[in-house]
Amino acid sequence: GQQVMQIPQYQHVQEGEDFTTYCNSSTTLSNIQWYKQRPGGHPVFLIQLVKSGEVKKQKRLTFQFGEAKKNSSLHITATQTTDVGTYFCAAPDSWGKLQFGAGTQVVVTP
Amino acid sequence: SQTIHQWPATLVQPVGSPLSLECTVEGTSNPNLYWYRQAAGRGLQLLFYSVGIGQISSEVPQNLSASRPQDRQFILSSKKLLLSDSGFYLCAWSRNNEQFFGPGTRLTVL
Repeated sequence: GQQVMQIPQYQHVQEGEDFTTYCNSSTTLSNIQWYKQRPGGHPVFLIQLVKSGEVKKQKRLTFQFGEAKKNSSLHITATQTTDVGTYFCAAPDSWGKLQFGAGTQVVVTP
Repeated sequence: SQTIHQWPATLVQPVGSPLSLECTVEGTSNPNLYWYRQAAGRGLQLLFYSVGIGQISSEVPQNLSASRPQDRQFILSSKKLLLSDSGFYLCAWSRNNEQFFGPGTRLTVL
């Protein structure tokens, strides 16, 4: 079945630096979603990308959907301690059920 | 507005004991409901999903079961817990592909 692979698994970032996390699939995706889970919390929806090549921004977060709709990225600029958490990408399989990536755990060093 | 509740928030159970986790959704009707498990530091594993009362689909073979006795109630059960059942159990409902997660139940099996 469809799988979404997410890299890196861990990301240590100095406060103020930028970083990017990537999500890849071997199959074309109808859409891709990103979620954030704070330590000890539950995943919270951030955004959904639907169109080929789509780019969306939320303050310091930039989300991209690849032209072939097989990959996506989340780029965070000027990382802050509030960015700590695990970021998941997720995409629906052929039955409409969301398949989540393994997540990128982000640790921010002040 | 819609809200999703889970209880208990934390649970410590001995191996071989039964389990019952409850999830209820308010503010929406006939939601698709999901049970996920998240092992420590890992991604989300879909366990069960339901599109209506009495309709349950199992994603992975295990000693857990799910039931949906009412439209907005989803229950996760086990007759005999295993050590490997420890984890963070999340209930979710979906709307337009987006999933909304409950606060979760942290289960420790000793």
